[in-house]
Amino acid sequence: TQLLEQSPQFLSIQEGENLTVYCNSSSVFSSLQWYRQEPGEGPVLLVTVVTGGEVKKLKRLTFQFGDARKDSSLHITAAQTGDTGLYLCAGLNTGNQFYFGTGTSLTVIP
Amino acid sequence: DVKVTQSSRYLVKRTGEKVFLECVQDMDHENMFWYRQDPGLGLRLIYFSYDVKMKEKGDIPEGYSVSREKKERFSLILESASTNQTSMYLCASSLLAGHITDTQYFGPGTRLTVL
Repeated sequence: TQLLEQSPQFLSIQEGENLTVYCNSSSVFSSLQWYRQEPGEGPVLLVTVVTGGEVKKLKRLTFQFGDARKDSSLHITAAQTGDTGLYLCAGLNTGNQFYFGTGTSLTVIP
Repeated sequence: DVKVTQSSRYLVKRTGEKVFLECVQDMDHENMFWYRQDPGLGLRLIYFSYDVKMKEKGDIPEGYSVSREKKERFSLILESASTNQTSMYLCASSLLAGHITDTQYFGPGTRLTVL
């Protein structure tokens, strides 16, 4: 059973555009993480959010944890080609295990 | 920086072969994980280990086994490879498994093809 659904699955945009990626679940998570995976590499942690409603910013990336701690979003402002990659969310459930989302593959076209 | 290395980047095996995937981490982490990654399915946990000689099943352990004889090394074993085990395999390690701020550090992955 897949606990975390991400949308869209694929996204192709022009450099300079804004975008939002969503991570949704019917389960409550203690914390939620976002990873980015570049081609040929393993995922790398971008951010961890813990509190419902929490917003964290990492340069042009804004991460939000839903009030009920069941969902999250990642917003990228003025996308750059270096943002290209697979974005994965991961939620820590009540069993203290991280479950990964289905992934969003982002391509930023110059 | 944490470094997680995997023995092979690409591997091609035949159906029925026994396959060993090796993972080594250099940060003295207690916890190590094996995932498989398939398009549209994200990462699915196969096995994890919280200590030497200790192992726990993840969500999809069928057809796999693991070995952790030393703290820094975690091996994934496919006893009799099948075509549906063709996938990208990712190893990870972490310091605070189960903690809300735990960070998993991943290796570059092994792309296994079973013919």
